Formats: sequence, C-alpha cells, structure tokens
Amino acid sequence: QQQVKQSPQSLIVQKGGISIINCAYENTAFDYFPWYQQFPGKGPALLIAIRPDVSEKKEGRFTISFNKSAKQFSLHIMDSQPGDSATYFCAAIITGANNLFFGTGTRLTVIP
Amino acid sequence: DTGVSQNPRHKITKRGQNVTFRCDPISEHNRLYWYRQTLGQGPEFLTYFQNEAQLEKSRLLSDRFSAERPKGSFSTLEIQRTEQGDSAMYLCASSPIRTSGNYEQYFGPGTRLTVT
Repeated sequence: QQQVKQSPQSLIVQKGGISIINCAYENTAFDYFPWYQQFPGKGPALLIAIRPDVSEKKEGRFTISFNKSAKQFSLHIMDSQPGDSATYFCAAIITGANNLFFGTGTRLTVIP
Repeated sequence: DTGVSQNPRHKITKRGQNVTFRCDPISEHNRLYWYRQTLGQGPEFLTYFQNEAQLEKSRLLSDRFSAERPKGSFSTLEIQRTEQGDSAMYLCASSPIRTSGNYEQYFGPGTRLTVT
C-alpha cells in the first residue's frame, strides 16, 4: 500500500513556466514532509521540507504548499529552468520514526 | 563535509552469487539508513542503524540480506544467493543527531545492482 501518492508521473514545462507536483497522504501521524530532487545516476538530494503547522514554505524558486485538512501538499517550481529537469520525490515521516515514505516520483522535463 | 559515499557504484552479478556493498556516511552522523529503489519507484526503507546498533528492519529485508555497521562508522549490506528480483539501486543515507526534530536524511549516489 502506497503511503504517499504522487502525481503526475511525468511533467513537461516550458522554460520560465511553473511546475506543480502534487502529493497526498493518509496517515495523519506524518509530521514532516520533505521533497527530494534526483538526477540520473545520483542519489536523492533534499530540496525543501515542511511541517504541517505551516501552510506554505518558500526557498528561492521552490515553494511547498500544505493543506492539512485535505492531507495534500504540493511543490511549485517558479521560473522553471532546463537545469531543473530531474525526478522529484515527495516523502513523509513521523517524528521519532526512521522510515521515510516516498512517493513514486515525477519526472520533470523543462524545455528551452 | 564530503557527503555520503557508496562503493561500488555498479555491480553486475550472476544469480546465486553473494554481493556486498559499502556505505561511508557523513562523518559524525550517527544515524545510517539503507533504502532500495527500483526503476520508476521511490526509495523503500530497508534498515536503520544508530551508531553500531541495528534498530529497525523492514519486512523487505529478507533472510538473504544482512547489514552491519561495525564501530558505528561505515556500513555494509550483503545479499546472499542473489535473485533477479534483487536488481535495484541500493541507497545509503545518513543523518546527524536529531536537533529541533528535523530528519534530514542525506543520500549517497547509490549502488546499482544487476543480477543476470
């Protein structure tokens, strides 16, 4: 059973556009939600993370929006660049636990 | 901070052979994790060490898998009698002693295993 559901599976965006990736979870005990960026042949790299006590977190061009009541969160990449082309994973974890639950990933392609 | 390193980066083996992978975490990170990632999927948790103690194991970690972290530094993951279904990327991650409740796990580049 997939603990964190992610969509879309793939996304193509024009340079300068906004990329939006959505995730949903069922376990309300999750209280930390990181996003990871993975380039081919590399391990996932932590991009940005949020806790459910805030509805939005912004770091540079990357913003997480969090809707606690809907149990959904999303990553927005503003002014998308070809260098952003990668696979993005949302994840969730319970404080005190050690097991990150990952979504299935979104392959983002930003075309010039 | 040189990051998490993993060796080898690629391993091709024949079904039935044993393989061992090594992970060197970021120095002074006392927590170490192993994950498995198959094509088109997100990483799945296998096991967790705090210092040298293996404190958690996933049901994905069959009896053919064993992980160690002697002296609380590097870790090894061994797969005995490999099967084609073991083909995957094996990722190692580490994190520092928990502060402010954050759980940043820093991943290595992975070891890609192909079982023929």
